[in-house]
Amino acid sequence: AQSVTQLDSHVSVSEGTPVLLRCNYSSSYSPSLFWYVQHPNKGLQLLLKYTSAATLVKGINGFEAEFKKSETSFHLTKPSAHMSDAAEYFCVVSLQADYKLSFGAGTTVTVRA
Amino acid sequence: GAVVSQHPSWVICKSGTSVKIECRSLDFQATTMFWYRQFPKQSLMLMATSNEGSKATYEQGVEKDKFLINHASLTLSTLTVTSAHPEDSSFYICSARDGPSYNEQFFGPGTRLTVL
Repeated sequence: AQSVTQLDSHVSVSEGTPVLLRCNYSSSYSPSLFWYVQHPNKGLQLLLKYTSAATLVKGINGFEAEFKKSETSFHLTKPSAHMSDAAEYFCVVSLQADYKLSFGAGTTVTVRA
Repeated sequence: GAVVSQHPSWVICKSGTSVKIECRSLDFQATTMFWYRQFPKQSLMLMATSNEGSKATYEQGVEKDKFLINHASLTLSTLTVTSAHPEDSSFYICSARDGPSYNEQFFGPGTRLTVL
């Protein structure tokens, strides 16, 4: 079985400072991993994905994530937060076998001016 | 590319009525579509998986007679909430899987259902 744990339910940062959102996964097989962002009352937007290629993945809007198999982690980072980054972020894991996605509980990011 | 639309974006209905939500892949053929439910300030929970031309596969605990899913074509799936009750009020989101990008799903913007 696969599962995802987002270690922080809420992260608050000042504008211009780094953002770190932590995610650990559990999977018996080589997973695909994703980070999605959801703004209030909106659908999900894909930030980036890992699918067994480079372990450091660069996404949109300056976000990146590093896949660390030894630590079963896929943490999301951004060097400098912007007010528009305030949203809900989901770490997601998928196995190729059934293509179903398992979502983490989500991390709410607030950005202080 | 890879755009998924949902209609309506929001709907309010009376208790006991049925509501249909459409999910369309606009620029690709979706071999598989998924339906999720999201309660306020919670994560997405998979309700069912549908493949074109076959019956949907429901997740444990999801009532298939209450949430009817039809995947009539490679670009359209519908979710009908039958005899809706206030506890069915939620944000419903669909996604579609594009064949060549097996592990990636493209999400619709969601439908806010409020049952009075």
